[in-house]
Amino acid sequence: EVQLVESGGGLVQPGRSLRLSCAASGFTFDDYAMHWVRQAPGKGLEWVSGISWNSGSIGYADSVKGRFTISRDNAKNSLYLQMNSLRAEDTALYYCAKVSRFLEWLSWFDYWGQGTLVTVSS
Amino acid sequence: NFMLTQPHSVSESPGKTVTISCTRSSGSIASNYVQWYQQRPGSAPTTVIYEDNQRPSGVPDRFSGSIDSSSNSASLTISGLKTEDEADYYCQSYDSSNRRVVFGGGTKLTVL
Repeated sequence: EVQLVESGGGLVQPGRSLRLSCAASGFTFDDYAMHWVRQAPGKGLEWVSGISWNSGSIGYADSVKGRFTISRDNAKNSLYLQMNSLRAEDTALYYCAKVSRFLEWLSWFDYWGQGTLVTVSS
Repeated sequence: NFMLTQPHSVSESPGKTVTISCTRSSGSIASNYVQWYQQRPGSAPTTVIYEDNQRPSGVPDRFSGSIDSSSNSASLTISGLKTEDEADYYCQSYDSSNRRVVFGGGTKLTVL
């Protein structure tokens, strides 16, 4: 059974940093690209960042480019999101999501975690 | 950079058919696959349509997807509406050249 479990969320002051993790199990992690998608309270889904199976292709939303860094450790079956210079507008539930197609960076998301909540506030 | 525009909300009665549109602002809707995700309150999204018109296993055939190049839009059609279909629905596509994923703003479906 595929499982994606996010962690690392919490309350953080504006301008500070936070690192999110996503622990994956139930599939061959290093065969699939992974993405982060967020959802602000009461708002829609917003793609944040994605990384290919071998970290060779990475993309970011304009809203986080230069502040967030996505990475993965295939040996640990884990996905990460380093978030720096956090702003109030980064407050959201952050989901990690697995793509469906083997080795493809852009493919539909077939599994999602339950999310980890990040609140940026003084 | 293109955007995907959805109606904010739609409503229909049980047993009826509803269609939710998703219009691409620039570039051809056919140039990248469109997916549709269902999100019930308090839950993570799940896929109801992928690659324009494919249904994942377990999704009833009451759900169907299509694209229309003339209107540059994709559509999700749900027939035989059930109260359990009440949820938010998001379309999603790709911007391959800029290596990004694009979501529509979401449509709240009310079944009443």
